[in-house]
Amino acid sequence: EIVLTQSPATLSLSPGERATLSCRASQSVSSYLAWYQQKPGQAPRLLIYDASNRATGIPARFSGSGSGTDFTLTISSLEPEDFAVYYCQQRSNAGTFGQGTKLEIK
Amino acid sequence: EVQLVESGGGLVQPGGSLRLSCAASGFTFSSYAMHWVRQAPGKGLEYVSAISSNGGSTYYANSVKGRFTISRDNSKNTLYLQMGSLRAEDMAVYYCARDLTPGSGSSSGYFDYWGQGTLVTVSS
Repeated sequence: EIVLTQSPATLSLSPGERATLSCRASQSVSSYLAWYQQKPGQAPRLLIYDASNRATGIPARFSGSGSGTDFTLTISSLEPEDFAVYYCQQRSNAGTFGQGTKLEIK
Repeated sequence: EVQLVESGGGLVQPGGSLRLSCAASGFTFSSYAMHWVRQAPGKGLEYVSAISSNGGSTYYANSVKGRFTISRDNSKNTLYLQMGSLRAEDMAVYYCARDLTPGSGSSSGYFDYWGQGTLVTVSS
């Protein structure tokens, strides 16, 4: 089973700042990686798929990069609604999620 | 508007069974693979099961293999998850989710629409 490790576990930033979230796979997943955002009491929301493709309706401030084992989600300038938990997910070998990064307001 | 509405959750004793349903609307259900993802209270997401658009192919996580069965009724636009031999570690909110890409081939493995979830509590 492919294990995804996200870092940091918690990221404290202020609105307007740039956020960089990391996801590392235990073996190569090529570009078969997605990012989801989840707010309390809500279902997850697809942000990025195939490492760098924004899902429909996702603002341009969200971008994804990486391939193989190392991936990054970048939020260029944080809006108040961006504070949430973010999960990466791979589809290269079945499907597994990372443990999540909580993005909190500093 | 795409809508996925889960039902069937509730309290069940260890070793018991439960069937979850997911009613889909707003899209051509028979064109999409569908998935179940769960989330234990306060924990992260766990991929549980998937079924192809025509129901001919299924996938199960090792943690539920042999105990859960995924199925679908395309005439009723409904996805199911039959859960048996339930354990405390199966307690979670269960989400159904639509695959990102339509088609009769293998799924994209990504999930673009999710239901609101249904809570399964396993306790004596």
